[in-house]
Amino acid sequence: GQNIDQPTEMTATEGAIVQINCTYQTSGFNGLFWYQQHAGEAPTFLSYNVLDGLEEKGRFSSFLSRSKGYSYLLLKELQMKDSASYLCAFSSGYSTLTFGKGTMLLVSP
Amino acid sequence: DAEITQSPRHKITETGRQVTLACHQTWNHNNMFWYRQDLGHGLRLIHYSYGVQDTNKGEVSDGYSVSRSNTEDLPLTLESAASSQTSVYFCASSETAGSNTDTQYFGPGTRLTVL
Repeated sequence: GQNIDQPTEMTATEGAIVQINCTYQTSGFNGLFWYQQHAGEAPTFLSYNVLDGLEEKGRFSSFLSRSKGYSYLLLKELQMKDSASYLCAFSSGYSTLTFGKGTMLLVSP
Repeated sequence: DAEITQSPRHKITETGRQVTLACHQTWNHNNMFWYRQDLGHGLRLIHYSYGVQDTNKGEVSDGYSVSRSNTEDLPLTLESAASSQTSVYFCASSETAGSNTDTQYFGPGTRLTVL
């Protein structure tokens, strides 16, 4: 079957680095997405990985290992505005996404 | 600018009533999706469409229906609203299948309360 798992909550300090992990199981796999969702708002696209390795985009980087069914989102130089829920999702074909339950990140001063 | 909108943004209804939530996108995307988001469950797929006259059931489709008569709109209908359908509903759209065109763009959401 299909399964995707990520931690429920994480806390970090402003200026620090935090890594949010995501593991998944699926018979078909096209790619791995990360979305950011602030409280009361819609999810917004952060990154997409289809090949193994690290994709860097400013303060945010995302890593994928297809053989291990594992991804992480790395946030550097944390800012208060990074406090949000981070959603991991995989595409297994036919354009549909399966989402994890999200990781609530709280950044404190 | 292209966008995706939902209406209403907030809705309170009574058990047993029929409710329709609107979703309109100007991206000219073929694919459209409806999700519900509940605490402890994350985003769950209700229905989706790959194009005009195409609709498909998602993970939690019972009690919901959709129709696709044009590219821009995918209204979601709750046939007989139940308290268990109190949730935040998100509409999303994406281009045709393949590589990063699977990226979905979300509307602002509709908060529905069924009393």
